Amino acid sequence: DAGVIQSPRHEVTEMGQEVTLRCKPISGHDYLFWYRQTMMRGLELLIYFNNNVPIDDSGMPEDRFSAKMPNASFSTLKIQPSEPRDSAVYFCASSPTPGDNQPQHFGDGTRLSIL
Amino acid sequence: GESVGLHLPTLSVQEGDNSIINCAYSNSASDYFIWYKQESGKGPQFIIDIRSNMDKRQGQRVTVLLNKTVKHLSLQIAATQPGDSAVYFCAEILPYGNNRLAFGKGNQVVVIP
Repeated sequence: DAGVIQSPRHEVTEMGQEVTLRCKPISGHDYLFWYRQTMMRGLELLIYFNNNVPIDDSGMPEDRFSAKMPNASFSTLKIQPSEPRDSAVYFCASSPTPGDNQPQHFGDGTRLSIL
Repeated sequence: GESVGLHLPTLSVQEGDNSIINCAYSNSASDYFIWYKQESGKGPQFIIDIRSNMDKRQGQRVTVLLNKTVKHLSLQIAATQPGDSAVYFCAEILPYGNNRLAFGKGNQVVVIP
């Protein structure tokens, strides 16, 4: 089975540019999560969706960050304008309905560098 | 300049020996716990999970122990192999969030051949 697919794997861009990260969850998973990982703060949950609807975006750092899930097989995380402090690895994860206590499955991340 | 990085606890273990990784979780009402393994350049990979109504669960070469009294979780890896070198995270499902995971800081395991 295909796992969670993220693109691009690496992104290097100059500050002020718009950055769009993409995620394709595992088919049939109702939940989708966006995380950010840095050495200083570890893994942080940014936002998660249930059935394409954003449930909790309290982890989104500021208004420069936005996430969408237009359908069950695709989500984007956008940063506009980007800043050097946004440099991190961004992970997408998906899981089935939580009642089954199924673990989240992670993609291999997008390593973002803002110059 | 660069930020000072988070120094992860590191366990160095000889190949073939057993490894034990410990984790303290935060919420006494959490009822589901997961161990993840993260290799360099990859996302966290599910290893094993345990529900709060259990004290122990075994998988292939791995065992998770749960002590709810002191909110402590441990992962035991039997006969550690070079491929076990990675960062290991424990995570708990918070009781008030739908499948929302809270991750620990991580433990680096280095296997010495």
